[in-house]
Amino acid sequence: KQEVTQIPAALSVPEGENLVLNCSFTDSAIYNLQWFRQDPGKGLTSLLLIQSSQREQTSGRLNASLDKSSGRSTLYIAASQPGDSATYLCAVSRYGGATNKLIFGTGTLLAVQP
Amino acid sequence: DGGITQSPKYLFRKEGQNVTLSCEQNLNHDAMYWYRQDPGQGLRLIYYSQIVNDFQKGDIAEGYSVSREKKESFPLTVTSAQKNPTAFYLCASSMGLVVGDTQYFGPGTRLTVL
Repeated sequence: KQEVTQIPAALSVPEGENLVLNCSFTDSAIYNLQWFRQDPGKGLTSLLLIQSSQREQTSGRLNASLDKSSGRSTLYIAASQPGDSATYLCAVSRYGGATNKLIFGTGTLLAVQP
Repeated sequence: DGGITQSPKYLFRKEGQNVTLSCEQNLNHDAMYWYRQDPGQGLRLIYYSQIVNDFQKGDIAEGYSVSREKKESFPLTVTSAQKNPTAFYLCASSMGLVVGDTQYFGPGTRLTVL
């Protein structure tokens, strides 16, 4: 059974700092991995999607990497801003699955202090 | 404006009552999903639907029911059989059920049982 873990559960950093969020998964047979952002009491916004054949994806100040063999992904945020404060969730799609099912991690709550 | 709408944003229910959460999408997507999110936990799949008049149980379907009479609508009923219904409920849709199809999320409904 696929399990997805995110560490740390919460993180507080001063504005301008570079930071890394971690996501690990137990079954390497994934189709892709996504990073989402969730603001308090709101829905999810997709940030980056990495296909299983890719090693990384970049969007602006965000860079996500994927190491399938070790079951790990990282989300790197450069020059953090108070507006980056949110919960960040990673989710994997199971390769070969009959449905488009996402398995979510528990999330990392990020607070960027001005 | 294309997207997914959920209503109401907040919902209060007395114990023993059934309550229905609305989800509508105008993205012309075939597949729709319902997730539940509890504090400090990731999203868990309740039900999903690939096409009109078809739906399947997810990981935690007990105490919930759905219908899919129209392509754009996928309402979720939380029945009195659901032992712990207080949670944040998120609806999503995707083009199809093909693994890897991007899921787009609504803003969510927070249900509180009094």
